[in-house]
Amino acid sequence: NAGVTQTPKFRILKIGQSMTLQCAQDMNHNYMYWYRQDPGMGLKLIYYSVGAGITDKGEVPNGYNVSRSTTEDFPLRLELAAPSQTSVYFCASRAGSSGNTIYFGEGSWLTVV
Amino acid sequence: AQSVTQPDIHITVSEGASLELRCNYSYGATPYLFWYVQSPGQGLQLLLKYFSGDTLVQGIKGFEAEFKRSQSSFNLRKPSVHWSDAAEYFCAVGDTGGGNKLTFGTGTQLKVEL
Repeated sequence: NAGVTQTPKFRILKIGQSMTLQCAQDMNHNYMYWYRQDPGMGLKLIYYSVGAGITDKGEVPNGYNVSRSTTEDFPLRLELAAPSQTSVYFCASRAGSSGNTIYFGEGSWLTVV
Repeated sequence: AQSVTQPDIHITVSEGASLELRCNYSYGATPYLFWYVQSPGQGLQLLLKYFSGDTLVQGIKGFEAEFKRSQSSFNLRKPSVHWSDAAEYFCAVGDTGGGNKLTFGTGTQLKVEL
């Protein structure tokens, strides 16, 4: 029972490089989310999706892009990485009914140097 | 816009003592409220949630929380803390509209003294 799977778990990037954080869920959830967590700041929503082909910006979308071509996958793209994007990234998903529990992946630790 | 305030950044309690973690929210309608726990290097695990009905909600690991509309609060409690409860705790409010996005508080770090 995999749930929400994120890869990679750890990554070091150089300034200006690009990369994609992968997220996959096997629960057939419509809703998926990307959060970032900075020390003392809680979690901030980057992007979310309410279904395949539909994405929308969250609170802190600048410097990121997403796509949702399938129900299962919700990759997060970082273009031109900056030190300010050093953070822990969490992907999450939930079923379609309003109020259902949101399930989180184990996180991806990203350092930009 | 919805928001969550967790006024205590750090809390230290002795093992066996009672615990209360404070959470205040701001939301225009009846909110969905959650408490999550995060152990070091791990993801977030749901402790409990409130959607409607009984304002005292029971969760996993012996935790409970009480929704008080008049105080815009959703405080987390446990009668007797165990050393394994040491972790960071996040309160969150979910919007009841499209997306059901969660807004998190900044977290409370719990330390348990043996």
